[in-house]
Amino acid sequence: NAGVMQNPRHLVRRRGQEARLRCSPMKGHSHVYWYRQLPEEGLKFMVYLQKENIIDESGMPKERFSAEFPKEGPSILRIQQVVRGDSAAYFCASSPPQSGNTIYFGEGSWLTVV
Amino acid sequence: AQRVTQPEKLLSVFKGAPVELKCNYSYSGSPELFWYVQYSRQRLQLLLRHISRESIKGFTADLNKGETSFHLKKPFAQEEDSAMYYCALYSGGYQKVTFGTGTKLQVIP
Repeated sequence: NAGVMQNPRHLVRRRGQEARLRCSPMKGHSHVYWYRQLPEEGLKFMVYLQKENIIDESGMPKERFSAEFPKEGPSILRIQQVVRGDSAAYFCASSPPQSGNTIYFGEGSWLTVV
Repeated sequence: AQRVTQPEKLLSVFKGAPVELKCNYSYSGSPELFWYVQYSRQRLQLLLRHISRESIKGFTADLNKGETSFHLKKPFAQEEDSAMYYCALYSGGYQKVTFGTGTKLQVIP
């Protein structure tokens, strides 16, 4: 089992461009979570998805941010018109459908907006 | 709604001193609690979960339902314990994991 795979690991974007971060969950995992970690700060929940469904997006900024987890393929976190304040580490995690299971994290994607 | 509180943003201790990282939770159901550790610029790794009642790297945590706490303890801190520690609550019915804001542990040599 390859673990949770995130790419790219590092992404540099100019202000106003779009950033797309991808997350492939562990095999057999149908739940995906996205978290953001600003420099020197803790982990902040963004969104929780199951296949083709957004379950909880209470942590997502209202504008410019969107997430999806299609039936086939990885989960995508999309940030449109990036600003300097979007520079952060974005962590994806996945868990299997049964309750009582641990969630497993990817290595993160570091976004730098210049 | 579930909530996890880690009151200390930073905890500094000397090497060899005892460590206690505090975690309190709020959840109406039967909680499943975890501690995760994040070393500098790395992924979060599971440290321990209350169900297994195991000790990892000398750390233990006991679930106290009366006080709704799940504090992480280690009798003697080591320099390599310096990291960010996150307490997490799994609310099985909703299948969502809620993390605390994290405590940075700094072990001073």
